[in-house]
Amino acid sequence: GAVVSQHPSRVICKSGTSVKIECRSLDFQATTMFWYRQFPKQSLMLMATSNEGSKATYEQGVEKDKFLINHASLTLSTLTVTSAHPEDSSFYICSASLAGVNYEQYFGPGTRLTVT
Amino acid sequence: SQELEQSPQSLIVQEGKNLTINCTSSKTLYGLYWYKQKYGEGLIFLMMLQKGGEEKSHEKITAKLDEKKQQSSLHITASQPSHAGIYLCGADMSSGSARQLTFGSGTQLTVLP
Repeated sequence: GAVVSQHPSRVICKSGTSVKIECRSLDFQATTMFWYRQFPKQSLMLMATSNEGSKATYEQGVEKDKFLINHASLTLSTLTVTSAHPEDSSFYICSASLAGVNYEQYFGPGTRLTVT
Repeated sequence: SQELEQSPQSLIVQEGKNLTINCTSSKTLYGLYWYKQKYGEGLIFLMMLQKGGEEKSHEKITAKLDEKKQQSSLHITASQPSHAGIYLCGADMSSGSARQLTFGSGTQLTVLP
């Protein structure tokens, strides 16, 4: 099946700094990538939908100036958490969607962000 | 209220027992996905259902989508410790081209040896 990677898998940063998370589709071109956030023992919450070459669409309540998404190519999307605060600590998961009839989503392994 | 209700929230079964997890929506679903997740890891795709009445099986796991396409169940036969994890249903509730998924709250499955 299609493979999606995320980097880094874990990151610890200080309050006020910015951190970038990469999401790559390794063996297919993803026209659409999604970014999710998951708090401990909770389900995934969609943050934004990212289409290659266009601006991301953010879900209600997600600050676009805080969570910068760039989808510069069909295999790479990045999420930058700017001016991170401890409450941004979470598990961030991306998924990539194949273009086609089923639009099946393939998920990355996730990135654990801890802001101290 | 959640658009997608998943039950039960947690389940503890003895190895070898059968179990069922349910996922219910008040809206017609365009696609229903089942995933398994180990805590702190990514999601593993299990199955996708799109047609009313559809049923798919893989090894000891069977998923069904009802005729109205509003309810799905995931059934595990003769559970094993390797089945333990968090099971998530994700539903495509839009007819647009970008398949955004809405997730259920998850079911934490523990299988006792």
